[in-house]
Amino acid sequence: QMTQSPSSLSASVGDRVTITCRASQSISSSLNWYQQTLGKAPKLLIYDASTLQSGVPSRFSGSGSGTDFTLTISSLQPEDFATYYCQQSYGNLPWTFGQGTKVEI
Amino acid sequence: EVELVESGGGLVQPGRSLRLACVASGFNFDGYAMHWVRQGPGKGLEWVSGISWNSNDIGYADSVKGRFTISRDNAKKSLYLHMSSLRPEDTAFYYCVKDIREGDIAALDVWGQGTTVTVSS
Repeated sequence: QMTQSPSSLSASVGDRVTITCRASQSISSSLNWYQQTLGKAPKLLIYDASTLQSGVPSRFSGSGSGTDFTLTISSLQPEDFATYYCQQSYGNLPWTFGQGTKVEI
Repeated sequence: EVELVESGGGLVQPGRSLRLACVASGFNFDGYAMHWVRQGPGKGLEWVSGISWNSNDIGYADSVKGRFTISRDNAKKSLYLHMSSLRPEDTAFYYCVKDIREGDIAALDVWGQGTTVTVSS
């Protein structure tokens, strides 16, 4: 079970934004983050808790291990308004997503 | 360029079956795990099923276990999802997704454009 917080937040361009994800049991560093903008397929941002996927801007970062994880956007840009999901990949399959965090203007 | 193209979606009555297919190109298909992820109308993402590169490791979400079967044909660079005993709550947009790490199961890297499944009488 993956629990994200908050479920939604309002922020302005330039703000520092933090989204948290908590696992119901330890998942080591097997945690991934995705971004989904309206009407599009999700995009992988961070894998293995803190590794930035190729092509993803450096303003995105991930941290944590065990049960508590964080996605941080250091300076929110207009294209970052989207829904963000965490997903655990511990012990291979099956996997689960968090419920999502909607970042709004 | 890596590309995943899904097909097979449509309108189906509750209790009936449907098979989704995904054809891959642009990468070494037989070296990567593959997954199906769905998103119901106005809902979040739900991982449905995944299969390792050699089909030795297969998993299902509890919501579909016993009703859905994932398979792959590496020679045809194709992934399948056979869905039976379909329910209205299976109505969703279904994505075919490539894993990020060759020979392993790690994260959802490249996503297809998706196909819509609607279960309704």
